[in-house]
Amino acid sequence: SQQGEEDPQALSIQEGENATMNCSYKTSINNLQWYRQNSGRGLVHLILIRSNEREKHSGRLRVTLDTSKKSSSLLITASRAADTASYFCATDAGSGNKLIFGAGTRLAVHP
Amino acid sequence: DGGITQSPKYLFRKEGQNVTLSCEQNLNHDAMYWYRQDPGQGLRLIYYSQIVNDFQKGDIAEGYSVSREKKESFPLTVTSAQKNPTAFYLCASSPRAGGDTGELFFGEGSRLTVL
Repeated sequence: SQQGEEDPQALSIQEGENATMNCSYKTSINNLQWYRQNSGRGLVHLILIRSNEREKHSGRLRVTLDTSKKSSSLLITASRAADTASYFCATDAGSGNKLIFGAGTRLAVHP
Repeated sequence: DGGITQSPKYLFRKEGQNVTLSCEQNLNHDAMYWYRQDPGQGLRLIYYSQIVNDFQKGDIAEGYSVSREKKESFPLTVTSAQKNPTAFYLCASSPRAGGDTGELFFGEGSRLTVL
């Protein structure tokens, strides 16, 4: 069962532009996390936002969480070619210490 | 350096053969996980373990088996009962079991191809 669904499935932008990815989920959560995956590699944790938080920043990343709409967004500002990767949201729904991942957004940043 | 090591990186298997994927961590993490990723897809949870000698099925456990005899090791066996085993397998760990699930630390993955 997939808890999170990312939108869009793919995003293509130019360097310097901002990239926004969205994640919707179905049940109440303890926290929501964003991960990055370069092609053929493992995932790397980017940011964790708890259910009682509304916004969080880390460098060029900004994550928002709207629990009333069961949605989150990841904003990457001033994107770089090195940001090209797939981005996944994952939710902790409090059902046994595990994360459920969405299908991801493939981001391509062109020089 | 601390981290998670998966081996082998690439593995080929004939139909009907069992194969075991290794996952070792030296982060002293309590919880460990196995996920499967198919091309262009998200991750699906196979098995997870919160403590030595205990593990739970995830969403797609059929055709897989695991063991957790040591804290640092969580091998995954893909059995002949798994009908479509060709996939990218990812192992992960997190510092503590119980409570909220925190950040997962991932290995670099093992790509299994059935010939």
